Amino acid sequence: ETGVTQSPTHLIKTRGQQVTLRCSSQSGHNTVSWYQQALGQGPQFIFQYYREEENGRGNFPPRFSGLQFPNYSSELNVNALELDDSALYLCASSPKLAGDIQYFGAGTRLSVL
Amino acid sequence: AQSVTQLGSHVSVSEGALVLLRCNYSSSVPPYLFWYVQYPNQGLQLLLKYTTGATLVKGINGFEAEFKKSETSFHLTKPSAHMSDAAEYFCAVRNSGGSNYKLTFGKGTLLTVNP
Repeated sequence: ETGVTQSPTHLIKTRGQQVTLRCSSQSGHNTVSWYQQALGQGPQFIFQYYREEENGRGNFPPRFSGLQFPNYSSELNVNALELDDSALYLCASSPKLAGDIQYFGAGTRLSVL
Repeated sequence: AQSVTQLGSHVSVSEGALVLLRCNYSSSVPPYLFWYVQYPNQGLQLLLKYTTGATLVKGINGFEAEFKKSETSFHLTKPSAHMSDAAEYFCAVRNSGGSNYKLTFGKGTLLTVNP
């Protein structure tokens, strides 16, 4: 059974650009959550997808958007990048919506210059 | 809203000493609580979870945590620290109610282990 995989591992962008981060869920998991972890902070919930529909969102602006595909893989898109978007972006999957354990990938480190 | 507070952003212990990392929660309903560990340049790994039932929860790598409702605490302990335990530790609470099951994390405690 493969775990949660994220790509790319590192990314450098400039302010104003757009970025897409990808996540492959653990096999059999239909729920994906995305978190932003700024340096020295705990992860903060961005949003969650369940069966291809957004199922809850944290305090992030609309320029943060996502998708979940029929195979339950997911994308996080960020438009009009700002310097404060520099962070580690973590994807987590769960075997079901109410699953009490979230399994995390290693994350994508985004640097915005 | 449910939240957790980790007391102490940095804890330093000697190898072989007791590890105690503190976490207090705020919740109006019985919480689902978790401890995760993050090694440098890696994602989060689940150490243990509390849902319902036994208040002493055993996790991986010799860690355990005790749920104390009267103190609203869920502190993480390990009797004897090992060099490989050096990492950042996060306490988290899973929200209950509503339609999503997000985790709310504390700010983390960095554990250093001295030889």
